[in-house]
Amino acid sequence: AQSVTQPDIHITVSEGASLELRCNYSYGATPYLFWYVQSPGQGLQLLLKYFSGDTLVQGIKGFEAEFKRSQSSFNLRKPSVHWSDAAEYFCAVGGTTSGTYKYIFGTGTRLKVLA
Amino acid sequence: DTAVSQTPKYLVTQMGNDKSIKCEQNLGHDTMYWYKQDSKKFLKIMFSYNNKELIINETVPNRFSPKSPDKAHLNLHINSLELGDSAVYFCASRRQGGIANEQFFGPGTRLTVL
Repeated sequence: AQSVTQPDIHITVSEGASLELRCNYSYGATPYLFWYVQSPGQGLQLLLKYFSGDTLVQGIKGFEAEFKRSQSSFNLRKPSVHWSDAAEYFCAVGGTTSGTYKYIFGTGTRLKVLA
Repeated sequence: DTAVSQTPKYLVTQMGNDKSIKCEQNLGHDTMYWYKQDSKKFLKIMFSYNNKELIINETVPNRFSPKSPDKAHLNLHINSLELGDSAVYFCASRRQGGIANEQFFGPGTRLTVL
């Protein structure tokens, strides 16, 4: 069965500092991995996705993520955080279970940015 | 143009009432979803429809009934509302056919049951 773990519930960083949000997944076949961001009171916006090819994926807003099969991880990074990056971040794995494609989301990581 | 829209954005109601949330997507997608996000921000899929056919029903109480009049719309009707139904409900859509195709989410409907 698919599962996603985001070990960090909250993370606080200073503006301009680097950021890494952790995501570990469990899936029997090739995973399709996604990172979404949810700003307060908003819906979810896709940051980036991985399904094959280069294991370092570039996304919007200066984010990137690296797929590491050996570690079952898909960590999200940003070299320099901006105050507007404060939000909830969700990792998701997409896959087929019993012939039906669906996402499983992690529990989210709330990012706070200090001025 | 809004890709996935939901109405209403906020819904406050009494226990025992019946209410509906509407979702529309103008992306031409085949598949639509309803998710429930609880107070701890946990997102759980409730239903999925593909071309108006129900394909996922994740052990949701039968007080919840989705209706898809056409591919662009997926509405959620909730009977006999309970306190535990208070949550944010998100609609999403996806183009079928590409396994890496992402889901597009609506802005959410915050339901408060008093």
